[in-house]
Amino acid sequence: GAGVSQSPSNKVTEKGKDVELRCDPISGHTALYWYRQSLGQGLEFLIYFQGNSAPDKSGLPSDRFSAERTGGSVSTLTIQRTQQEDSAVYLCASSRSRQIATNEKLFFGSGTQLSVL
Amino acid sequence: GENVEQHPSTLSVQEGDSAVIKCTYSDSASNYFPWYKQELGKRPQLIIDIRSNVGEKKDQRIAVTLNKTAKHFSLHITETQPEDSAVYFCAASINGNQFYFGTGTSLTVIP
Repeated sequence: GAGVSQSPSNKVTEKGKDVELRCDPISGHTALYWYRQSLGQGLEFLIYFQGNSAPDKSGLPSDRFSAERTGGSVSTLTIQRTQQEDSAVYLCASSRSRQIATNEKLFFGSGTQLSVL
Repeated sequence: GENVEQHPSTLSVQEGDSAVIKCTYSDSASNYFPWYKQELGKRPQLIIDIRSNVGEKKDQRIAVTLNKTAKHFSLHITETQPEDSAVYFCAASINGNQFYFGTGTSLTVIP
């Protein structure tokens, strides 16, 4: 596709359940980022992938959060035993390899609105 | 690591006036500074960016200035229109390796 694709667009779950959020970056983009945005708030960094490895996962708020990326493309963010405070929009973004300095523009997906009841 | 601060957090201007949003960064190695506009319920969209080898860049009513010595950069919107109302985020990056965002500025343009 032409842009960063995220699914589902909306997810309603019960407290304590696990959820998986998916991000399909722009083809050829090796860098992938997950951010969380609570209502009316800024962009909270969660994790950054370069290819399949995650050189920076410092933003993951707890061990209930994990992310993986296989094949250097699709990434999934998993939240285990969801809590109400996990409710937010989860945004994914991608950019080209950092080795190409002129192609570092970051493009965002439309996000997944997660609601934990 | 890099720390980006953004001011003001909210800004209201009359239609036709100018709006200025300012950001500072801490890591002198940062060399790429994009600005994103996020309309309500939408994804952040890149509106303009600047690299450290230039001091100013302009695109129609939008301009960005960069002062490397002082480590600050600003977004200038002239002749504001109601459709400029949105949240604006600045960011700093080193060669696109990690992006550090400001906390956002909610701009309201009053008709």
